[in-house]
Amino acid sequence: DAKTTQPPSMDCAEGRAANLPCNHSTISGNEYVYWYRQIHSQGPQYIIHGLKNNETNEMASLIITEDRKSSTLILPHATLRDTAVYYCIAVSGGYQKVTFGTGTKLQVIP
Amino acid sequence: GAVVSQHPSRVICKSGTSVKIECRSLDFQATTMFWYRQFPKKSLMLMATSNEGSKATYEQGVEKDKFLINHASLTLSTLTVTSAHPEDSSFYICSARDRDSTYEQYFGPGTRLTVT
Repeated sequence: DAKTTQPPSMDCAEGRAANLPCNHSTISGNEYVYWYRQIHSQGPQYIIHGLKNNETNEMASLIITEDRKSSTLILPHATLRDTAVYYCIAVSGGYQKVTFGTGTKLQVIP
Repeated sequence: GAVVSQHPSRVICKSGTSVKIECRSLDFQATTMFWYRQFPKKSLMLMATSNEGSKATYEQGVEKDKFLINHASLTLSTLTVTSAHPEDSSFYICSARDRDSTYEQYFGPGTRLTVT
């Protein structure tokens, strides 16, 4: 699976949009971009995933660049409960296993 | 949504004893389950992949005789830490892949193991 690169930490004001970037320049054609988050001392929570097209669900939006070398997770109105470590992962078709990187620690500030 | 449970949520054991952690998929069948370990302020590290009815596949550096994995049914996998030592103290997390979904993987809440 392709390696992903994320900033180690970010701050976001409560109520504002949180934009979390991820670089995956070596991603291959059959690899999906997955986002998970982990709130302190809990198991990871699935957020969203995509292949080529932008995706949106009740939690977030995922913007993938046309060349698929990077993506951005958008939390439209961040709340204090969104404070967590966010992981961007490239997962190959067939989905054999998920390898976590170091993620981005998002701190939502009141 | 799909739910994965783990039991116990916390366990304290003495050095040299064995501890069993259960991972259950509550409302779906999981042909594949994964076990992770997470040390404080570190990312999750995959330990092994278990497929129902077959032997687990361990990641490099993980001792298969120390971390025994059993996946006897489509809803249950167990991880047994044998002869536990203080350095095995960690947060253990399982995940399960829905048999009917190609890509979805659901994570349990984790088990905090402390070896004294």
